[in-house]
Amino acid sequence: SQKIEQNSEALNIQEGKTATLTCNYTNYSPAYLQWYRQDPGRGPVFLLLIRENEKEKRKERLKVTFDTTLKQSLFHITASQPADSATYLCALNTGGFKTIFGAGTRLFVKA
Amino acid sequence: ETGVTQTPRHLVMGMTNKKSLKCEQHLGHNAMYWYKQSAKKPLELMFVYSLEERVENNSVPSRFSPECPNSSHLFLHLHTLQPEDSALYLCASSQDLPGSYSNQPQHFGDGTRLSIL
Repeated sequence: SQKIEQNSEALNIQEGKTATLTCNYTNYSPAYLQWYRQDPGRGPVFLLLIRENEKEKRKERLKVTFDTTLKQSLFHITASQPADSATYLCALNTGGFKTIFGAGTRLFVKA
Repeated sequence: ETGVTQTPRHLVMGMTNKKSLKCEQHLGHNAMYWYKQSAKKPLELMFVYSLEERVENNSVPSRFSPECPNSSHLFLHLHTLQPEDSALYLCASSQDLPGSYSNQPQHFGDGTRLSIL
């Protein structure tokens, strides 16, 4: 079955540094992959989508890469700020009506 | 404000109670979803509706019963739940159903935190 793995350990970084989160998947070749942000007590919020024929996508301080050979996506936040502290989820479509999500990685940015 | 509103935000109920969760989207979307989110686990897709028709039922126990009276509203009726059903229940919508080659980000509500006593 399709599986998404995100680092279950929290990532702690200093303000101003670049945060890099990893999403690995198995048993599927998705046409696109999405990243969401979730704050405590809130629903996920869509951030970025990257297609299989795109190696990299940027939006302000966010950058996503997609390596279909490694079956991996990396999510970068440059010049991180304490307000970036949240849980980040990756998600992919499995070809039908279903989008499957990873469990997320919690990011803490210290001032 | 995400355009998707869920009520109530918190619900405590006994195992023999019957209650309903409500979701309303103001985005003009055609697809709506129910997810269950338990601590440190991935979101679990429960039900998918497209234009008020159920298109996915992900082996969910019959004690959960969805209802979609129109494309803006989605309900989840609950009865005789178990303690393991305690979780955050999220509603989401998207313009259309996702597919292999279509860009369909989902817009989520803030969920109903359900606790079963």
